[in-house]
Amino acid sequence: AQRVTQPEKLLSVFKGAPVELKCNYSYSGSPELFWYVQYSRQRLQLLLRHISRESIKGFTADLNKGETSFHLKKPFAQEEDSAMYYCALSEGYNTDKLIFGTGTRLQVFP
Amino acid sequence: DAGVTQSPTHLIKTRGQQVTLRCSPKSGHDTVSWYQQALGQGPQFIFQYYEEEERQRGNFPDRFSGHQFPNYSSELNVNALLLGDSALYLCASSLGLGRYEQYFGPGTRLTVT
Repeated sequence: AQRVTQPEKLLSVFKGAPVELKCNYSYSGSPELFWYVQYSRQRLQLLLRHISRESIKGFTADLNKGETSFHLKKPFAQEEDSAMYYCALSEGYNTDKLIFGTGTRLQVFP
Repeated sequence: DAGVTQSPTHLIKTRGQQVTLRCSPKSGHDTVSWYQQALGQGPQFIFQYYEEEERQRGNFPDRFSGHQFPNYSSELNVNALLLGDSALYLCASSLGLGRYEQYFGPGTRLTVT
């Protein structure tokens, strides 16, 4: 069955430190992977998707099919990065169904 | 454009009752998906509507049903409410099926007592 695992409930770092939020998935086909972010008192929003290969707000994520991982990274964390981050998987073509992980709360201290 | 809107914001119901939640998609969007987010969990897919038909369904019982109207707005109905149905219900809209970004609404917080 499709599954997304985010092993850390909480990740705390100081401003300027590197950040890596872990995401592992299980899916037999060729999934599409996403990172969604929810800032305090705001709605869930797309941060990035693996097919676009963009860097958004300094964040990047590389799909590693061998390790079935899609970790989110940023070299220098900012206080405004503090938020809830969700990794999600889609089966791909012709569906909007997303399978979410349980989320990781990132706290960036000054 | 207000984006995806949902009503009501909060709702308290009693076990066994029925509830209807409403969603208006972002302007120009024609596809609506519904998710349930229990406390401390990620959103779980309930179902998706496109062209007024349920296109895909997650692992939810038949007590959960929905509808999409010609103006693309949607309703989520839950019958015979259980305490375990207490959650945040999120609506997401997009253009077409699986091709473009989904935009989420602020959610409706349902409490079942």
